[in-house]
Amino acid sequence: RKEVEQDPGPFNVPEGATVAFNCTYSNSASQSFFWYRQDCRKEPKLLMSVYSSGNEDGRFTAQLNRASQYISLLIRDSKLSDSATYLCVADLSGYALNFGKGTSLLVTP
Amino acid sequence: GAGVSQSPSNKVTEKGKDVELRCDPISGHTALYWYRQSLGQGLEFLIYFQGNSAPDKSGLPSDRFSAERTGGSVSTLTIQRTQQEDSAVYLCASSPFLGGAGDTQYFGPGTRLTVL
Repeated sequence: RKEVEQDPGPFNVPEGATVAFNCTYSNSASQSFFWYRQDCRKEPKLLMSVYSSGNEDGRFTAQLNRASQYISLLIRDSKLSDSATYLCVADLSGYALNFGKGTSLLVTP
Repeated sequence: GAGVSQSPSNKVTEKGKDVELRCDPISGHTALYWYRQSLGQGLEFLIYFQGNSAPDKSGLPSDRFSAERTGGSVSTLTIQRTQQEDSAVYLCASSPFLGGAGDTQYFGPGTRLTVL
């Protein structure tokens, strides 16, 4: 069983829509959590860290539920440029990131 | 400033050959990581270097894989006797190692390896 599980999608949403992605992680000892964004045939780039208290960065909101071992990402007012694959990441060791397979998002005009 | 660079960007090789992949981390970053991303799979951790400490090789899939980091900067990942299942994108990342969990890792563009 993979340590980080995500719905692969694809999620097809119109511009301006709100979309939410979820992921679960299996190791309760995981320390840090992130969302990375990966464009087609490009390297992953950090989108945001995820904190227990929840955190927001512009149109993006991340939530962590340690009891349920569940992480979420909410994107409001979707833009065409948000189209990408979103990778959920749990960090157990402090360096060896565990990546989910990613959720594909396509925002259409 | 300059990001993580990797070379070559693409490598096609025949089964059984050895390949070397190079990574130049961001200047001043003490931590360096190798991952691979196979088609339809998530990124898989391979190896971690931190300063002069012994590397964590726990993610290397077989003894055909090895990596070194000379002078605390450039790293080379070597795959001996390549197999078709080694075909993947090999990604290098570096981080400043500020000392806490969750040190941000910055990824290079990757080397796309195809084993025929």
